[in-house]
Parts: sequence; structure tokens; C-alpha cells
Amino acid sequence: DIVLTQSPALAVSLGQRATISCRASQSVSISRYNLMHWYQQKPGQQPKLLIYRASNLASGIPARFSGSGSGTDFTLTINPVQADDIATYYCQQSRESNTFGAGTKLELK
Amino acid sequence: EVQLVESGGGLVQPGRSLKLSCAASGFTFSNYDMAWVRQAPTKGLEWVASISTGGGNTYYRDSVKGRFTISRDNAKSTLYLQMDSLRSEDTATYYCASPHYGGFAYWGQGTLVTVSS
Repeated sequence: DIVLTQSPALAVSLGQRATISCRASQSVSISRYNLMHWYQQKPGQQPKLLIYRASNLASGIPARFSGSGSGTDFTLTINPVQADDIATYYCQQSRESNTFGAGTKLELK
Repeated sequence: EVQLVESGGGLVQPGRSLKLSCAASGFTFSNYDMAWVRQAPTKGLEWVASISTGGGNTYYRDSVKGRFTISRDNAKSTLYLQMDSLRSEDTATYYCASPHYGGFAYWGQGTLVTVSS
């Protein structure tokens, strides 16, 4: 199984940049497709897709969210962070079956 | 508007069965693969099972193979998860989700399954 590793938490100030990382135990890229996706989840709510295939903004997601990376290392960037962005963020790979990272809780500094 | 509405959760004893349903609307259900994803209380997300558009291909995580069965009725735009031989570690909120380009673009609100005596 492909294991995805995320830092448990990240503290950030409002208006600053937040960079959340996700490292895969093996490559999740096939040809030009990077099969890594990012979600936001707030307490009591279902997850929301933010970024698909590493760098594509999902429908209705603000442009302050962006994604990058390839192979085994991926990053979700939020710039600037707003109060509504305080949540837990998960990465997910679909290269082999589906696995999720353990999540990174974005907190206010 | 895409809607996925799960039902069928509840409290069940270990070893018993439960069947979840997910009613889809707002998109052509038969054109999309579907999946179940679960989340244990205070824990992260865990993919459970997926099914192809026609239902001919199904995939499961190892821990539920042989106990859970995913199926669909395209005429009713409904996804199912039959869960047998339930264990305490199956306690979770179960979401149905629709994958698009590999990411799960649409999610239901979830249904809670509690396995306890």
C-alpha cells in the first residue's frame, strides 16, 4: 500500500501563507498525471475536494488555494490564509487503490 | 445540483449485518464510478470500497474483503454497502463519494455506524 505522510498540525497567522506537505512512500505519478488530491474538512462536515491531480483547482474553490508537486512530494498552499480556512486538510492518492494521509490540522498562531 | 444522501446507519451488535444506501441525484449516476469512504470518531479518512459504472468491477480495502459488498442499481441511482460480520473497528461515519479524475468530487453528509454490544 502507498502510505502518505503529513505533519499533524501547522500554526499560521491570518493573512500569511500556509504550506501543507504530503509525502508518498512511492511515486503516485503516471505519465503526465500526478494522482494526488487535496481535501478540506471542518468539524461535523463532509470533506470538500480542493485540488485534484496535484494542481487543478476544483470547482468553486477560491484561487488562494493551490497545489504543486510530482512523484512523491506534494504541497498544498493557502495564500493568504483566512479565518474560514481553519480546518483539517487531507491528501489522497489514487495511483494504487486509494489511500489518505492522516491529515494536517491548520491552527491559528 | 449534485446530491448524495446516505441512509441505513445505526447501532448494531458485533457479528451482525447492516446495509447502507446512498441515493444520488443531480448527475447521470450510471456514468460514474462510486465509492464508500469512512471516518472513525476523531480519526482520519479511510477508503472502503469502489465500484465501476456498470457494477462489474469492485474493489475493497483488505480489512473489509469478504465481509463487505458494494453494489449499485443504476435504474434507481442508488449505491449500496452490505456490511456483514461487523466488528467494533468498523464503527465510523460512512460517506458515499463520487470520484472524478481520481479525486472524490462529491460527498454525502455521511451515516454513522456504531458496532457495540
